[in-house]
Amino acid sequence: GQQLNQSPQSMFIQEGEDVSMNCTSSSIFNTWLWYKQDPGEGPVLLIALYKAGELTSNGRLTAQFGITRKDSFLNISASIPSDVGIYFCAGQLDQGAQKLVFGQGTRLTINP
Amino acid sequence: NAGVMQNPRHLVRRRGQEARLRCSPMKGHSHVYWYRQLPEEGLKFMVYLQKENIIDESGMPKERFSAEFPKEGPSILRIQQVVRGDSAAYFCASSPSGVTFGYTFGSGTRLTVV
Repeated sequence: GQQLNQSPQSMFIQEGEDVSMNCTSSSIFNTWLWYKQDPGEGPVLLIALYKAGELTSNGRLTAQFGITRKDSFLNISASIPSDVGIYFCAGQLDQGAQKLVFGQGTRLTINP
Repeated sequence: NAGVMQNPRHLVRRRGQEARLRCSPMKGHSHVYWYRQLPEEGLKFMVYLQKENIIDESGMPKERFSAEFPKEGPSILRIQQVVRGDSAAYFCASSPSGVTFGYTFGSGTRLTVV
């Protein structure tokens, strides 16, 4: 089946550092989404990207939809303790498809 | 203004028993999706339902798993004769019109099969 390869799998950073993670696929996606999951909770949508090349910000978060529609990155600037969690990329393959394909996640740990 | 409500939050079943997971979508949302998450993995799509209709069940195992979204009441994901491999977190999401960016996930049900 379709796969999203997300990297890195885990990150250990100091508070205040910037973070970058990315997702790649061999398939073309219509939409890219970035979610954050806290322990014991469901994923929460952070950013949605709909057009190739689109660059979107949400506070300290910035994400881009790759020109080829096969990749995306998420940057977090000036990390704070509440950024700890697992970040997932997810893609919608076809415009009419109602299901998402998820990456394996990037676990972010922040040392104060 | 409650979000997507899932219950129970935690469910323990012995091998061979049945598990019933419930999902009440957000008010005004008529589209429901079920996903499964194994430990240390991303979410995997299982099924997409609208009221009284299964629209896409391409992610559902062929046996033992079924889902429904009746005219009245919550959506139910039913797993018969559970096995240890069914242990996972099951998440429900809802949207108002089937548009992907409108997904809102619930907090999930953690199923443990002993």
